[in-house]
Formats: sequence, C-alpha cells, structure tokens
Amino acid sequence: QKEVEQNSGPLSVPEGAIASLNCTYSDRGSQSFFWYRQYSGKSPELIMFIYSNGDKEDGRFTAQLNKASQYVSLLIRDSQPSDSATYLCAVTRDGGTSYGKLTFGQGTILTVHP
Amino acid sequence: IAGITQAPTSQILAAGRRMTLRCTQDMRHNAMYWYRQDLGLGLRLIHYSNTAGTTGKGEVPDGYSVSRANTDDFPLTLASAVPSQTSVYFCASSENLDSGRDTQYFGPGTRLTVL
Repeated sequence: QKEVEQNSGPLSVPEGAIASLNCTYSDRGSQSFFWYRQYSGKSPELIMFIYSNGDKEDGRFTAQLNKASQYVSLLIRDSQPSDSATYLCAVTRDGGTSYGKLTFGQGTILTVHP
Repeated sequence: IAGITQAPTSQILAAGRRMTLRCTQDMRHNAMYWYRQDLGLGLRLIHYSNTAGTTGKGEVPDGYSVSRANTDDFPLTLASAVPSQTSVYFCASSENLDSGRDTQYFGPGTRLTVL
C-alpha cells in the first residue's frame, strides 16, 4: 500500500462546477497536509495546507481533513479552465525518521471543460 | 527575483557518464531537497539537507549524491548514469525542515534523459 494515494484520474468537470479531489494516507503519525498544483511542464506550487480536522477555506478552495478516516480532500468551487492541472497531495509527520519531509501522492489530473 | 534556479533545463546523457544537476536558491532557506518525478509515481525524495554542511537520504537515494557547502547551493550528482534515472528532477527549499509545516518552494526542474 502506498503511503499517500490519490485517484490518478483524469477527473473531468464542466466549467462552474465543484471539483472534488481526494487523498488517503496510511501513516497515522501524519500531521501536516498540503495540496500542490502542477501545470503541465511546470513545477509544483502550494495552494493549500491544513493541520487540523475540519475544513479550511481560501477563496474558491476548501481543504477538508479527517484524521480518524485518514482522508484529506480539496474542493474547488466555480471551477475554471485555468484550474486544469495535476493536483498533488502531500503529507509530513512531525516526528520520527520522516520528520518534516513531504511524501507525495501520484497526483490527480483535473480537466475543466468550457 | 527571489526563488530557485536549476541548471541545465534539460539534458540528454549517455549511460555511464557523470552528471551534476545544479540548484541555487536566494531565499536564505535552511532546508533544501531533491525530488524526481516519474509518470504514475509522483514526486519522490532523493536527498535532503537540513542546513549547510548536513545532508540526508530520502526515499530513493541510490545512484545519487549531494553536497551542501553553503546555504544557497545544493548540487545533485549522478556518478554513473543509468537509463532508469531518466526523469524530471526538481530542487526545492523551505525555511526549515524541522517544523514539518514550512512551505516548500520548487525550482523549474531539469528534464534528464539517459540513453
């Protein structure tokens, strides 16, 4: 089992819809969770982070964390064609040999069509 | 402009050759990282550095070495390249490693092909 799993997609949504991206992780010691966006041929850029159970909103983006279920998600409201990219989920743990280092999922390709 | 630069942008290399990928950051970050990205496998950590003078192994360190002589530079060396090292390599940095919460900023990447 991979440490961080994402559905590779592609996930296709119409413009204006809500895109829901999901991520599960296996290490219960994981404490910090990040969502990166990567456009084709470009480098990853951070769009959201979340540390506590519940929801965190930033503009059109909402990150949701459920540590009991080992599940983190990213919702994109009012999806735009410019949101078309690969979304990478990453986690770190705050102790042990993996302290501070990101473990990434394989990414979900999102396509928003007009 | 503050950020991370990587060189070269792309490279085709014969198997068995030695290659150094360069990475420089001007944000005075303590921590630096090297990742490789392969289709279907996501980003995997090769090596990292907590601060100048210290380095550590990541998830896939075999065949790679790094050094951190100063804060700004973190070169990655392939001593004898093999085709399985064909990948896109990203350098990243963050203020610190220890907190686990510092944002990692990524360089533009180096596309390496080993034939």
